[in-house]
Amino acid sequence: EDKVVQSPLSLVVHEGDTVTLNCSYEVTNFRSLLWYKQEKKAPTFLFMLTSSGIEKKSGRLSSILDKKELFSILNITATQTGDSAVYLCAVRTGANSKLTFGKGITLSVRP
Amino acid sequence: EAQVTQNPRYLITVTGKKLTVTCSQNMNHEYMSWYRQDPGLGLRQIYYSMNVEVTDKGDVPEGYKVSRKEKRNFPLILESPSPNQTSLYFCASSPKPGQGLYEQYFGPGTRLTVT
Repeated sequence: EDKVVQSPLSLVVHEGDTVTLNCSYEVTNFRSLLWYKQEKKAPTFLFMLTSSGIEKKSGRLSSILDKKELFSILNITATQTGDSAVYLCAVRTGANSKLTFGKGITLSVRP
Repeated sequence: EAQVTQNPRYLITVTGKKLTVTCSQNMNHEYMSWYRQDPGLGLRQIYYSMNVEVTDKGDVPEGYKVSRKEKRNFPLILESPSPNQTSLYFCASSPKPGQGLYEQYFGPGTRLTVT
């Protein structure tokens, strides 16, 4: 059974802090790892990672994948209250692209 | 506007009364999928489809059916709903995996309550 585990489950920080969100996985036939942000609505896509060691960046967010150790991290620098959300990690596997999500990390950024 | 639409957005029904939640996308995407989201359990994939007439079970397919007769539509059918199917349901679509950026677009969600 494919497993995706995110940690911590929740996190409270103050504006300006830097946070690191973790995602580890145990799956068969790995294809890619995806990060999503979910506020009070549907998830929105952040990054897709397929190769180890190549950092993806978008503004204050960045992510990297380690396929040897089977994990990914999502970094957010200079956090803002608008970063408060649930961050979801998902792993795509197999020829037909099954997606397995982790349970999500709830990030709260206090002013 | 590129989008995934779901209907209804909210539904309260009774045990055993068959229902269908529709999903439609206007982006000519090959891949479509259904998820349910429950507190403490995260998003779990119910069924997915790589293309017309091709569907596969996800992690929690029991009690659900799907069909993909047309590329744009992927309805979710609950033949005999039960209270444990009370959940928030999302439909999503994306281009065929492997063809460029795999950005999955989610619909707005359907909140289903089965009493």
